Amino acid sequence: SQQGEEDPQALSIQEGENATMNCSYKTSINNLQWYRQNSGRGLVHLILIRSNEREKHSGRLRVTLDTSKKSSSLLITASRAADTASYFCATFRTQGGSEKLVFGKGTKLTVNP
Amino acid sequence: GAVVSQHPSRVICKSGTSVKIECRSLDFQATTMFWYRQFPKQSLMLMATSNEGSKATYEQGVEKDKFLINHASLTLSTLTVTSAHPEDSSFYICSARSGGGYYGYTFGSGTRLTVV
Repeated sequence: SQQGEEDPQALSIQEGENATMNCSYKTSINNLQWYRQNSGRGLVHLILIRSNEREKHSGRLRVTLDTSKKSSSLLITASRAADTASYFCATFRTQGGSEKLVFGKGTKLTVNP
Repeated sequence: GAVVSQHPSRVICKSGTSVKIECRSLDFQATTMFWYRQFPKQSLMLMATSNEGSKATYEQGVEKDKFLINHASLTLSTLTVTSAHPEDSSFYICSARSGGGYYGYTFGSGTRLTVV
């Protein structure tokens, strides 16, 4: 398997707190993306960071990327109950003309009101 | 923004029958579509990549004859689970991309398949 690994696998916090999720991967990448999935639903793209970028912000989201360590983190600030969902990192790479978006195992985030 | 419609959202079928799942790009042309499978509390596993007008590329370990993929137009890809068995019960999700590079990955809302 070439899936990435996220940690923690599950995270439970109180509303207003920050949530940090980490992702590690094994191969070289073009970019890394974070997605959100509500239970039993499809995925929603949150943010993309290119391999030559180190940090990116989008609203309450902050993503970092360390290609030397092959790792990324997603920070959600001032969490809300509506942020409760599973979060996946996905690495995008092209190889021999084909492309792949490979997902990590995910972190299940619960934000308690 | 780009929308991908996946249908049906839920399906229950008997062992031995076939089930077709549709994935449509509603407001853009999808040159490439991807099919994923997700087991409970697990991540998405890429099953195959389909390009409009050509054969799908299957990931290692995915049976081509069991999971038939057709991408006959720029807006429609179908996944047919043939001779379904209970172990095929899973959540299937498609995604579509409209052009080169990353931009445009949009996911359908998924199909919960239960084989009884």
